[in-house]
This record gives sequence, C-alpha cells and structure tokens, in this order.
Amino acid sequence: AQTVTQSQPEMSVQEAETVTLSCTYDTSESDYYLFWYKQPPSRQMILVIRQEAYKQQNATENRFSVNFQKAAKSFSLKISDSQLGDAAMYFCARSLYTGTASKLTFGTGTRLQVTL
Amino acid sequence: DTAVSQTPKYLVTQMGNDKSIKCEQNLGHDTMYWYKQDSKKFLKIMFSYNNKELIINETVPNRFSPKSPDKAHLNLHINSLELGDSAVYFCASSLLRGPLHFGNGTRLTVT
Repeated sequence: AQTVTQSQPEMSVQEAETVTLSCTYDTSESDYYLFWYKQPPSRQMILVIRQEAYKQQNATENRFSVNFQKAAKSFSLKISDSQLGDAAMYFCARSLYTGTASKLTFGTGTRLQVTL
Repeated sequence: DTAVSQTPKYLVTQMGNDKSIKCEQNLGHDTMYWYKQDSKKFLKIMFSYNNKELIINETVPNRFSPKSPDKAHLNLHINSLELGDSAVYFCASSLLRGPLHFGNGTRLTVT
C-alpha cells in the first residue's frame, strides 16, 4: 500500500519558537507532489506548502519550510517563529496523477499546540 | 468570492433517509473531488470527476452516488443513510498538477 505516515500525533511549541513536524511516505512512482495542509478548529483545509518531487530545492513559504529527502521518502515541515494562529491539525499528503485527476493520500495528522 | 462552496454546512438526519450535498467551484478547475474525514480526522478520497467524467471511484458503498452536471459542480447523493456515514465530507477542486482547493466541509450526523 502506498501510504503517508505522520508519527507524531501531537506536538507542542512555545510562541516564537521553531517546531518540526515529521512525515514519511511510500511510493513507487517518480512523478508526484507533496503537500502540507493545515486544518484549524474551523475545519477549513488550508494549503501551507507544496513540493514537486522532481525539484531538489526545498520549498519555502514565509515562516514555513520543508526538508525534502527524496531517497529517504521524508518530507518534514518546519514552522519558524510560531504564532498562536499556527495551532491546528497539520496533514501531510502525497499526490499521484491518474491522467486527468490527482489522487491525494493523507497522513493521519499532527495536532500542533502553541503555548505562550 | 468563495472558491469552493458546499452546502449545507451541517446535516443532521435519521438512519434510512436519503440526502444530498452540493458543491460548486468558481476557480475554472477541470477536476473535482469528494473526500471523507472520519471521527479520527482521517481523510480519504471517495470520488474524482474531470469535466463531468468519473475518474476515481474508491471503494465506496454504492449508496453514495456523485453527480456532475457540469465541470463547476459536483454533488454527492447518499441513499439509505447509516450511522457509519457520520463524518465530515469535503468537496475540492484542482487543476491537474495543482494543489487541491477544499470547501469548508459538510458535517453529516446520522442518528
């Protein structure tokens, strides 16, 4: 089975500190994308960052960056200068393409708490 | 201005009933999806349509029937609702190699 694994059910970080959320995935495909989505209590699914598998350079979006290790099939998310608004469930996801659709497989999520 | 909108936000119904959830996107995307998020927050794809054509049909009971009247709309009809159908259902859309844009979800509660 081609799975996505998030081994940290919960993480906690102090405001202004840095936290890293782990994700590993399994795939035999060479053409795929990786994503981190955030789901706050409002339950909206918000795209945080994405990484194309063919790109070696790690993606960065403001305070969010990834460490993409393709050989190890690892895709961790680093949040710098954590803010109270970062508190949410974070889902790692891997997409595969079926020609005309993208099949996104999600991990089980990591609940991030941000403390004062 | 809402990119992917789904209605209703909440749906409470009794076992055995039939219900529908509607979804519309104004992003001009060709592909739309239905995902189910269970009580443990696990998200799983149910269906995907590209320009009204069914592309992905995961192992979903045939009580669930998606319908896409045009590429901007993808509705989900559920027959003979069961307790286990209680979940949050997300509609999403995307360009082929783009990220999915999700609606705000419909929380379905079957009593």
